[in-house]
Amino acid sequence: GENVEQHPSTLSVQEGDSAVIKCTYSDSASNYFPWYKQELGKRPQLIIDIRSNVGEKKDQRIAVTLNKTAKHFSLHITETQPEDSAVYFCAVSSTLGRLYFGRGTQLTVWP
Amino acid sequence: GAGVSQSPSNKVTEKGKDVELRCDPISGHTALYWYRQSLGQGLEFLIYFQGNSAPDKSGLPSDRFSAERTGGSVSTLTIQRTQQEDSAVYLCASSFSQGAAYEQYFGPGTRLTVT
Repeated sequence: GENVEQHPSTLSVQEGDSAVIKCTYSDSASNYFPWYKQELGKRPQLIIDIRSNVGEKKDQRIAVTLNKTAKHFSLHITETQPEDSAVYFCAVSSTLGRLYFGRGTQLTVWP
Repeated sequence: GAGVSQSPSNKVTEKGKDVELRCDPISGHTALYWYRQSLGQGLEFLIYFQGNSAPDKSGLPSDRFSAERTGGSVSTLTIQRTQQEDSAVYLCASSFSQGAAYEQYFGPGTRLTVT
C-alpha cells in the first residue's frame, strides 16, 4: 500500500510568518492530494486539494505545490494568524482508492 | 444539505461488552470510510466501502471489529468484547467517488470510552 510521510510533526511560528508542511508518498499511481485541518475537538475539514495534472494551486493565504517526479507535495500558509493553529493532515489517493493520511502536523501560531 | 451524522456522540462501556456505532453518510455518496483517532494521534484507517464492491477491511485491528453497510447507505461499526485500548474517537467519512477520488466529508465522531 501507499506510504505517506509528513514533516514536521510540530511547527511553531509567529503571527504573520509563513508555515510550510511537507509530505512524501511512495505510489507513483497516486493522483489526488488533499490537505485537512482539524481544530481541537472538531472533525477534519478539507482546506485545499490538488490533482496530479497541475503543479500548484492557491486559495487566498493557502497554497499547495506538487512535484510528481520527486513524489512530494507541500502546504504553504502565508501571513499566519492565531486561528490557523490546528493539526494539519496531508493525504494521498489513487483513482477509486482509499485516502492514505500522514501522521499530522500540530501548527501553533503565536500572537 | 445535511452532512455526515454519527451516533451516539459519546459512549461509555464496560470492558468485555459489545458496542455498535452508527454512521449516516451524505445522500448520494457512494464511498464510506471508518477511521479511529486516539488522543493526540493521527487518523487510523479501519474499513472502506465503495458502492457494491467488497469492502476494504485491511485496517481492522482484530477480528473483534466488523462493519456493514446496508442498502449502500447507513453503516454500523461493531466492536465485540471491548478492551480499554479500543477507547478512541471513531470517525466516519463519506465521499462521492465515481471514477476519481473526491473530498471526504467527516462526521462529528463517536467518542468511545471503555472502562
